[in-house]
Amino acid sequence: GENVEQHPSTLSVQEGDSAVIKCTYSDSASNYFPWYKQELGKRPQLIIDIRSNVGEKKDQRIAVTLNKTAKHFSLHITETQPEDSAVYFCAASIQDYKLSFGAGTTVTVRA
Amino acid sequence: GAGVSQSPSNKVTEKGKDVELRCDPISGHTALYWYRQSLGQGLEFLIYFQGNSAPDKSGLPSDRFSAERTGGSVSTLTIQRTQQEDSAVYLCASTPGGQSSYEQYFGPGTRLTVT
Repeated sequence: GENVEQHPSTLSVQEGDSAVIKCTYSDSASNYFPWYKQELGKRPQLIIDIRSNVGEKKDQRIAVTLNKTAKHFSLHITETQPEDSAVYFCAASIQDYKLSFGAGTTVTVRA
Repeated sequence: GAGVSQSPSNKVTEKGKDVELRCDPISGHTALYWYRQSLGQGLEFLIYFQGNSAPDKSGLPSDRFSAERTGGSVSTLTIQRTQQEDSAVYLCASTPGGQSSYEQYFGPGTRLTVT
């Protein structure tokens, strides 16, 4: 099955700086790569996703890049704010329903 | 509209007891998923429903775990003879179904503690 690895496991950044989280996947047939944000005690929520026919996607301060050859994708958060503090999960999907998640990155934005 | 709901929010049970966890998906969503999230870990896929049928049960960890869905809506995850390693947050998610609907909408989860 698909195996997704995520790094780093924890990330502390100064407010206003950028945060980058990287994920690798094992199955070259994966074609959908979402990122979920989970605030403490709350449910995971989709923040951005990318399909395999696109190399980069941006939504305000958040961007995701995909390198199909290397089988890795990254989340970039610019101008970080305290409300960006959360656990972020990457995932990969071969079929349109089954998501394989990374172990998560705990992001702390220091004021 | 209403999001995915789950009940109970917390469940403490003794080792060896059976538990039932309930998920109410978003109205009209045909696809439903169960995941397990252990402390400090990612989400582990358990089972997927399309309508009332479960084409993929590959993530269920043992035969003590089962799930059903009735009326294309509510789903119940049952864990028999609970063990301490079953302690985790169990999350349910739903999607409208179909090729264009990838986003999974999650419920708040049920925190299961087996003592």
